[in-house]
Amino acid sequence: GQQVMQIPQYQHVQEGEDFTTYCNSSTTLSNIQWYKQRPGGHPVFLIQLVKSGEVKKQKRLTFQFGEAKKNSSLHITATQTTDVGTYFCAGRGPNTGNQFYFGTGTSLTVIP
Amino acid sequence: DTGVSQDPRHKITKRGQNVTFRCDPISEHNRLYWYRQTLGQGPEFLTYFQNEAQLEKSRLLSDRFSAERPKGSFSTLEIQRTEQGDSAMYLCASSLQVGANEQFFGPGTRLTVL
Repeated sequence: GQQVMQIPQYQHVQEGEDFTTYCNSSTTLSNIQWYKQRPGGHPVFLIQLVKSGEVKKQKRLTFQFGEAKKNSSLHITATQTTDVGTYFCAGRGPNTGNQFYFGTGTSLTVIP
Repeated sequence: DTGVSQDPRHKITKRGQNVTFRCDPISEHNRLYWYRQTLGQGPEFLTYFQNEAQLEKSRLLSDRFSAERPKGSFSTLEIQRTEQGDSAMYLCASSLQVGANEQFFGPGTRLTVL
């Protein structure tokens, strides 16, 4: 079955440093979404990528979708303490209807 | 509050008992999803409704699990003969059929099976 893996599992950074999490799928995806989950909270939608090679930016966050549509990344520039949380990618395969497969998540800790 | 709501927020039950959870999606959203999340893991897809029709169900989902969305609005998830391995956070999400497919998640129901 479809698997979505993320690395790293945990990341500790000093405030102001950059952060990147990588998402890899075992199969080609039709689209990919990114969510942020604060400790004790529920996932909150950040963005959706659909096109091969697509790059989208939201302030300090940059999202990329690989050319082969099997991988994606989220990069945060100059982290802030408000960026703390777990970041999940969620991919939908071309033959999986509306099932989204969530990655294992990357837990980000920002040290002030 | 016009977000997704779930009830109850917490449920403690003994092994072998049945439990039922409710989800009220955002009113104009016709898509509704159920997920299960355990500590340190991402949400695991359980099932999906479009209006009142259950269109997809995880192949990994035990037949002890059943979900309904009778009028295309709220949904219920029932677990029969609960097992300790069912202990998890059960998340509901809703979305519109068109647009970015953004899923709006509820606060979840935390189930503990003793």
